[in-house]
Amino acid sequence: LAKTTQPISMDSYEGQEVNITCSHNNIATNDYITWYQQFPSQGPRFIIQGYKTKVTNEVASLFIPADRKSSTLSLPRVSLSDTAVYYCLVGERSTGNQFYFGTGTSLTVIP
Amino acid sequence: SAVISQKPSRDICQRGTSLTIQCQVDSQVTMMFWYRQQPGQSLTLIATANQGSEATYESGFVIDKFPISRPNLTFSTLTVSNMSPEDSSIYLCSVDPHGGSGYGYTFGSGTRLTVV
Repeated sequence: LAKTTQPISMDSYEGQEVNITCSHNNIATNDYITWYQQFPSQGPRFIIQGYKTKVTNEVASLFIPADRKSSTLSLPRVSLSDTAVYYCLVGERSTGNQFYFGTGTSLTVIP
Repeated sequence: SAVISQKPSRDICQRGTSLTIQCQVDSQVTMMFWYRQQPGQSLTLIATANQGSEATYESGFVIDKFPISRPNLTFSTLTVSNMSPEDSSIYLCSVDPHGGSGYGYTFGSGTRLTVV
């Protein structure tokens, strides 16, 4: 199982771009990188998934270098409502694949 | 995306008793997953439940303590047996409604269990 390492916490001011980096040195060939967001008293919510290079959706961008040993979640112009814990996971994208959560990054957005 | 209804949302239980948590999904899914999240901590996978077969438990979790049922493709239950205060946690179920197509897993809102 590829283990992930993220910063425990980050602070950012409203309106800034936030980049959260995740290290996954032992990522396997078939592994995808997935990010989830979790607010207090809620289950995690899927944000974005990628395999290589760059993926963008309406919420975030995911940057993955060629060696895939790390990835960066980019949140543009954060607001107070983006205060949450962000989890980076790696695993095969197949039906029923188990996902194992790391420690996550607690992001606090400051007014 | 799938919608998960998890019940109860919270409960306070006496030590030594058992609580059964229900997870209902609005679409058929092959596998369901049960997680535990202790206060301020990350999620820990308890077991994977496949319809028609026994659940597969992760290291540190046993069937006698956390029996799981999966009677059909939309429903599962997790029972926390013979509870102690150490079982106080949030328990969440999760499914992959997209069959591995890249849109992630959906999680229930969790059951907050307090054992006194």
